[in-house]
Amino acid sequence: SQKIEQNSEALNIQEGKTATLTCNYTNYSPAYLQWYRQDPGRGPVFLLLIRENEKEKRKERLKVTFDTTLKQSLFHITASQPADSATYLCALDEGVYAGNNRKLIWGLGTSLAVNP
Amino acid sequence: DGGITQSPKYLFRKEGQNVTLSCEQNLNHDAMYWYRQDPGQGLRLIYYSQIVNDFQKGDIAEGYSVSREKKESFPLTVTSAQKNPTAFYLCASSMAGQRTDTQYFGPGTRLTVL
Repeated sequence: SQKIEQNSEALNIQEGKTATLTCNYTNYSPAYLQWYRQDPGRGPVFLLLIRENEKEKRKERLKVTFDTTLKQSLFHITASQPADSATYLCALDEGVYAGNNRKLIWGLGTSLAVNP
Repeated sequence: DGGITQSPKYLFRKEGQNVTLSCEQNLNHDAMYWYRQDPGQGLRLIYYSQIVNDFQKGDIAEGYSVSREKKESFPLTVTSAQKNPTAFYLCASSMAGQRTDTQYFGPGTRLTVL
């Protein structure tokens, strides 16, 4: 079956360290993958999009990698701060094989807590 | 400020009542979406609209209805036929009509059925 998985356990790290979150998928050939941040009781906010032909994308302290062979995306936050504490969602495009009804498939998210 | 607004933030409903959730955007986006978010489950698509006066069912449309009379507005009605309506509802929009485009979310409405 097709599915997308993120670390189910919350990630706790010390301020200043690098946080690494994982998004694994099976049985998709996505054209691209997106990462969003969601704070409690609020809507997700788009962070980064990486395409299938891109290995890495950066935005300030954020870095995303995309390995279509491993079927995995890694999301890194360097020099983490307590303000980075939130849930991070990955969403992938089902891909061209899904046809005209292709849609975003959402992961459950990983909760990140950055401790001062 | 451009963005998406949802109202109300919290909504309480008695069983058997219909209730309408508001969603407005001033981003000039063509596409709009309604999602439901429950603990332990990912975002699930209820309905989406790629153009005014047209909309399609998502994965869990039963018990819900929508309209798209204006580009800016996409209200969702939760009907009494929805068996488990208590959830966090999110409205989103995207620039173009592809359902896989980057989506911009509103702040959400938390619906509780009493």
